[in-house]
Amino acid sequence: EDKVVQSPLSLVVHEGDTVTLNCSYEVTNFRSLLWYKQEKKAPTFLFMLTSSGIEKKSGRLSSILDKKELFSILNITATQTGDSAIYLCAAATTSGTYKYIFGTGTRLKVLA
Amino acid sequence: DAGVIQSPRHEVTEMGQEVTLRCKPISGHDYLFWYRQTMMRGLELLIYFNNNVPIDDSGMPEDRFSAKMPNASFSTLKIQPSEPRDSAVYFCASSLVGGAQSINYGYTFGSGTRLTVV
Repeated sequence: EDKVVQSPLSLVVHEGDTVTLNCSYEVTNFRSLLWYKQEKKAPTFLFMLTSSGIEKKSGRLSSILDKKELFSILNITATQTGDSAIYLCAAATTSGTYKYIFGTGTRLKVLA
Repeated sequence: DAGVIQSPRHEVTEMGQEVTLRCKPISGHDYLFWYRQTMMRGLELLIYFNNNVPIDDSGMPEDRFSAKMPNASFSTLKIQPSEPRDSAVYFCASSLVGGAQSINYGYTFGSGTRLTVV
């Protein structure tokens, strides 16, 4: 059965801290891995990763994929209260059909 | 572009009643997905369509759930009869597989429908 596991489930840090969120996956016919940020409403796209070892960056956020060990990490440096959200990762599979399998998310709270 | 549009935003209903959730995908997108999100189980894929045809409904929890996509611009998710354990946020998402958007941005989600069954 395809699955995506995220850790930790929740995290509380103070502004300025650096956090690392983990995502491991087991899917057949893996295609890509995506990270989303979900605040009050719909998840919004952060990164799509398809190749191992290539870091993607957007401001204070960065992410990397390891296709050998089947995991990805999302780093957030110099955290701000606006980073408080649920961070979701999803693995895309094309095993017969095309779909994304989501993890349960990491709930991050950044305290002022 | 108005994005993926879902209605209603909130729904409170009594156990046993029929509930219909609606979704309008982004114009031109050929995949439409229905997800359910709860604290315990996260985002669960219920069903998805490609070119209006249901492809995989293995995530639909039971026969009380049904989904239709009569045309490229509209889909419904129906629960009949509803039960308190159906309370969740239901998201619709659409994508264009193989197009530039899907390669770079994955899904586009609607704002969700928060369903409460009392």
